[in-house]
Amino acid sequence: GAVVSQHPSWVICKSGTSVKIECRSLDFQATTMFWYRQFPKQSLMLMATSNEGSKATYEQGVEKDKFLINHASLTLSTLTVTSAHPEDSSFYICSARYSNQPQHFGDGTRLSIL
Amino acid sequence: AQSVTQLGSHVSVSEGALVLLRCNYSSSVPPYLFWYVQYPNQGLQLLLKYTTGATLVKGINGFEAEFKKSETSFHLTKPSAHMSDAAEYFCAVREYYNQGGKLIFGQGTELSVKP
Repeated sequence: GAVVSQHPSWVICKSGTSVKIECRSLDFQATTMFWYRQFPKQSLMLMATSNEGSKATYEQGVEKDKFLINHASLTLSTLTVTSAHPEDSSFYICSARYSNQPQHFGDGTRLSIL
Repeated sequence: AQSVTQLGSHVSVSEGALVLLRCNYSSSVPPYLFWYVQYPNQGLQLLLKYTTGATLVKGINGFEAEFKKSETSFHLTKPSAHMSDAAEYFCAVREYYNQGGKLIFGQGTELSVKP
């Protein structure tokens, strides 16, 4: 089956630093990638949608200057949390999709900001 | 606008008992419907999907779901629960592809399985 790899799985860093999370589709070309945020015991909240070679489309209320998304190739998208603060601590999940096929999810990244 | 409602944030069953997780959707167009499972500290795994055709859909791990248009429902069932089924389950409806094809998730249902 389709595999999406997300790295790192867990990161702890100091307040004010920037953190980059990678999302790779290992065995298919991801024409579209999605980034979600999930709070404990809650559903997934879509942050942004990115198509390869295009600027990401952010959901309402998501700061695009805070959460930088790059989708430079058909197999890689990155989410950079800039100047991270404790309130940015969360579980971030990416997913990837080829054309009209179902989304396949990465295993998530647990981000803790001290 | 499309939406998904999962009835019951927490369902508890005994091992070997029937599992029934409820999902109702709202959509002005024929929906694409999905069930995903999430284990602790992991991403989501696709259990099954309905797009067109047969309304009873079989998925992995013995789960199945039936699309009932008249009831706008897509409930997930499994005849006999196993301890390994304990997880969070999400029902989702997908936007029309030409509108971006985003997934709209329900609130999730945590399934506990008692020995």
